[in-house]
Amino acid sequence: GENVEQHPSTLSVQEGDSAVIKCTYSDSASNYFPWYKQELGKRPQLIIDIRSNVGEKKDQRIAVTLNKTAKHFSLHITETQPEDSAVYFCAADISSNYKLTFGKGTLLTVNP
Amino acid sequence: NAGVTQTPKFQVLKTGQSMTLQCAQDMNHEYMSWYRQDPGMGLRLIHYSVGAGITDQGEVPNGYNVSRSTTEDFPLRLLSAAPSQTSVYFCASSYSIRGDYGYTFGSGTRLTVV
Repeated sequence: GENVEQHPSTLSVQEGDSAVIKCTYSDSASNYFPWYKQELGKRPQLIIDIRSNVGEKKDQRIAVTLNKTAKHFSLHITETQPEDSAVYFCAADISSNYKLTFGKGTLLTVNP
Repeated sequence: NAGVTQTPKFQVLKTGQSMTLQCAQDMNHEYMSWYRQDPGMGLRLIHYSVGAGITDQGEVPNGYNVSRSTTEDFPLRLLSAAPSQTSVYFCASSYSIRGDYGYTFGSGTRLTVV
């Protein structure tokens, strides 16, 4: 089955700095890669996703890049704000959209 | 639309008790799934369903049963609760339309087994 590795497990940055979270996956058949933000006690919320036919996608301060050859994808957050503090999860899906495999999460702390 | 509705939000069980976690969606999504979330482990797939009457096991199915009699409902049953099943459970529904994907998560059920 699919295996998703996520690094780092914790990340602390100063407000205004950039944050980068990286994930690797094992199954080359995976073709959908979402990123979720989860605040304490809340459900995961989709913040951005990318399909395998796209190398990069951007939405305001958030961007995701995908390298299918190397089987890794990354989340980039620019101009971080304290409200970006949360746990972020990457995930991968093998074109079936009912079997998401998640990374173990990154606790991002943005210090004012 | 209510989206994905999970009940109850909190539950405490004694070891050996049984219970059913309810999940309902009103988006007419074909696919539904159950995940459990433990500290430091991310979300792990328990069971999933690709349509009414069709279910299959995910990564961590032991100790759980599911059924999908309607498109809307996908209950998760714990037949004999164990402390190892203490976790937060999320139900999700999803769709795929012409290459467009979407997942919607419920608000979760926090289960404690003592």
